[in-house]
Amino acid sequence: EPEVTQTPSHQVTQMGQEVILRCVPISNHLYFYWYRQILGQKVEFLVSFYNNEISEKSEIFDDQFSVERPDGSNFTLKIRSTKLEDSAMYFCASSAPMTGRAFFGQGTRLTVV
Amino acid sequence: DQQVKQNSPSLSVQEGRISILNCDYTNSMFDYFLWYKKYPAEGPTFLISISSIKDKNEDGRFTVFLNKSAKHLSLHIVPSQPGDSAVYFCAASAGDRRYNFNKFYFGSGTKLNVKP
Repeated sequence: EPEVTQTPSHQVTQMGQEVILRCVPISNHLYFYWYRQILGQKVEFLVSFYNNEISEKSEIFDDQFSVERPDGSNFTLKIRSTKLEDSAMYFCASSAPMTGRAFFGQGTRLTVV
Repeated sequence: DQQVKQNSPSLSVQEGRISILNCDYTNSMFDYFLWYKKYPAEGPTFLISISSIKDKNEDGRFTVFLNKSAKHLSLHIVPSQPGDSAVYFCAASAGDRRYNFNKFYFGSGTKLNVKP
């Protein structure tokens, strides 16, 4: 089965630093998402991206966050000036047109110290 | 934001018996529902889905039931196997056709333990 790939699997960063989480969605998919799961809590929607622009974002996704599709294969989430509470598992997902089913990557565990 | 609720954080079932995982939602605009399974240190993997035009969808040992009037869905696993032990998330979407169900609301998950 095709896979969504995320790198790195674990990222440790100091508070105040910027991090970039990387994702390679499934090649023929057109819709891309970032979700996160803080330890012990539910999976939360952050942002969706289609046609090179954000289609929807949650209230969590403030100016500290940005997404980019810098080339035809990568989809990145940038977190500026990280805070302790940004520590979470970040999941990238993608989906094909009109399927409703999202494929998730393995996640990047971000630890802010 | 508690639009999707899974009120049972954990469930323990004997191998071979039925596992029933429940999910409730509040938004009547939701029209597409999915169940995802998640093992530790892995991303959620899709298990089964149902659209609001149906009340039941079956795939092998897994059946999802949707009760729209009660805003309730359930996942039945029969027979349960030890390999089914994982966290199960239900998710719902309001299905904005412009954006291909672009935002799923997840429940908090139910940890299923199937005992051999």
